[in-house]
Amino acid sequence: EAGVAQSPRYKIIEKRQSVAFWCNPISGHATLYWYQQILGQGPKLLIQFQNNGVVDDSQLPKDRFSAERLKGVDSTLKIQPAKLEDSAVYLCASSQDMWGTEAFFGQGTRLTVV
Amino acid sequence: AQSVAQPEDQVNVAEGNPLTVKCTYSVSGNPYLFWYVQYPNRGLQFLLKYITGDNLVKGSYGFEAEFNKSQTSFHLKKPSALVSDSALYFCAVRDNHNGANNLFFGTGTRLTVIP
Repeated sequence: EAGVAQSPRYKIIEKRQSVAFWCNPISGHATLYWYQQILGQGPKLLIQFQNNGVVDDSQLPKDRFSAERLKGVDSTLKIQPAKLEDSAVYLCASSQDMWGTEAFFGQGTRLTVV
Repeated sequence: AQSVAQPEDQVNVAEGNPLTVKCTYSVSGNPYLFWYVQYPNRGLQFLLKYITGDNLVKGSYGFEAEFNKSQTSFHLKKPSALVSDSALYFCAVRDNHNGANNLFFGTGTRLTVIP
């Protein structure tokens, strides 16, 4: 079974530039998550999708971050414009449902904003 | 609102000794509890989960965890630690009372197994 795919693995941008991350979840998984993990901290949920609908985006900085999951499969997370404090690893995960099933994580995208 | 606490930032244990990584949680309804491990430059890997039933759950790599409802805890344990167990461990909780059922992570505990 293929895992969660993310790209790119690494990205370096200057502040005020824009960046986009892509995620392809495990086939058949209805729930998709984007997490931000700052060095030394636990993952912080940014947004959670159930199929192509958003179920929680309460911690997404909506003035600069946006995410979509068209057709309920792939997802993209965008930051525009980026700030220095956005430097982090962005993790995508998917699970079969929002209940008792575990989430599977991709390798993450390490973003450095300079 | 749900929350999860990992009171120890760092746990050191000698190889061959038993290990415990602590986790406590707070939810409105019944919890779904998970443990994940993260190796350097890798994504999070699922270890085990508690949904319902037997309070002692067994997972990957010889790890187990005990759900204690009265103490709202879900400590991760292993009878005999290996050097290769050294990694960052995260406890996570999903509150089935919350409509969004989002997966909320603790701050992590770094386990170091000393040869």
